[in-house]
Amino acid sequence: GQQLNQSPQSMFIQEGEDVSMNCTSSSIFNTWLWYKQDPGEGPVLLIALYKAGELTSNGRLTAQFGITRKDSFLNISASIPSDVGIYFCAGNGNKLVFGAGTILRVKS
Amino acid sequence: DSGVTQTPKHLITATGQRVTLRCSPRSGDLSVYWYQQSLDQGLQFLIQYYNGEERAKGNILERFSAQQFPDLHSELNLSSLELGDSALYFCASSVAAGGRGYTQYFGPGTRLTVL
Repeated sequence: GQQLNQSPQSMFIQEGEDVSMNCTSSSIFNTWLWYKQDPGEGPVLLIALYKAGELTSNGRLTAQFGITRKDSFLNISASIPSDVGIYFCAGNGNKLVFGAGTILRVKS
Repeated sequence: DSGVTQTPKHLITATGQRVTLRCSPRSGDLSVYWYQQSLDQGLQFLIQYYNGEERAKGNILERFSAQQFPDLHSELNLSSLELGDSALYFCASSVAAGGRGYTQYFGPGTRLTVL
């Protein structure tokens, strides 16, 4: 079946740093979505991408739909403490498939 | 606020019991999805309904069932509960079941604790 590989699994951020994560698949997707989930809360949609090559920003977040339609990345610029949480990618072929998530933690 | 509502927010029950979780989709959304998320786990897709009809099934146990009513709200029924069923259960909704209509918006979840 369709599977997404999301990396990294976890990372530590220091305030002000830029962060990058990505998802890859062996299958072609028509839509890529990025969600953020805070502990005990529901995932919140951050960015939706509907076209290969599309680059979309939402504040400090930027995401791109890969040209091959098999990958997507999410960048967070100038990270702040409230960026910590779990980020999920999701791709839609004939159904929506979720990555395992990237856990963002604060570097102490 | 995504516009998706779920009740109750928390539920504590005993093994062997049966519970019902409720979800109201965003206004205008025809498709409802149910997910289970155990501690430190990703989202496990359970089942999807579209306009009252079952559309897709994921890793849903036979002890679990769901339905979508004419007013488009959905209920997830969990029976013969086991300790391992303790998890967050999320409902999501989307306009349709394909293309841009696949963009799902999640509710706040129901935390189920089975003792």
